[in-house]
Amino acid sequence: NAGVTQTPKFRVLKTGQSMTLLCAQDMNHEYMYWYRQDPGMGLRLIHYSVGEGTTAKGEVPDGYNVSRLKKQNFLLGLESAAPSQTSVYFCASSYGARVETQYFGPGTRLLVL
Amino acid sequence: AQSVSQHNHHVILSEAASLELGCNYSYGGTVNLFWYVQYPGQHLQLLLKYFSGDPLVKGIKGFEAEFIKSKFSFNLRKPSVQWSDTAEYFCAVKRRDNYGQNFVFGPGTRLSVLP
Repeated sequence: NAGVTQTPKFRVLKTGQSMTLLCAQDMNHEYMYWYRQDPGMGLRLIHYSVGEGTTAKGEVPDGYNVSRLKKQNFLLGLESAAPSQTSVYFCASSYGARVETQYFGPGTRLLVL
Repeated sequence: AQSVSQHNHHVILSEAASLELGCNYSYGGTVNLFWYVQYPGQHLQLLLKYFSGDPLVKGIKGFEAEFIKSKFSFNLRKPSVQWSDTAEYFCAVKRRDNYGQNFVFGPGTRLSVLP
């Protein structure tokens, strides 16, 4: 039981490049989330999903897209990376709406030059 | 809009000192409350949570937190900190009348424990 895993762990991009971050969970959780963590700002929700095939915007969705084609995977895409997207990205999952404990992945550190 | 504030940006303590980290939230309805810890270079881990019942909850590693509804607070405490408690601590609040995105984190408090 690996919990929540994220790939890659670290990536450097040039402005304008695109990339996809992969999150996978093996706990059969319905809900999955993508956050970004910036110094002094805590975690901010980018997008989330309440089940396979569904996605919704969070607090800071601009510049990001997501897909949840399979229940266990939640992909975060950057179509045209900007330096403002330099951050640490965390994926999380939870069983459902009422059982709220979120389980976090190890994070992906992204540097956009 | 719902918000979560944490009183201190950075707290520095010596080993064996007592710890209290403040957390306040702005939403007036029913909430679930969490404290997460992030050790250097690691991901967030759940420290403790409050859903209902006894407002004094105990978590892992000797931490506890008290929910005071009238003060909209959920302060984290530990009677005697250790060097290994050096980490960043995040308070989080989830509204119980809504789904999905209303899970709000505070900005975090960095704790440095000096040996």
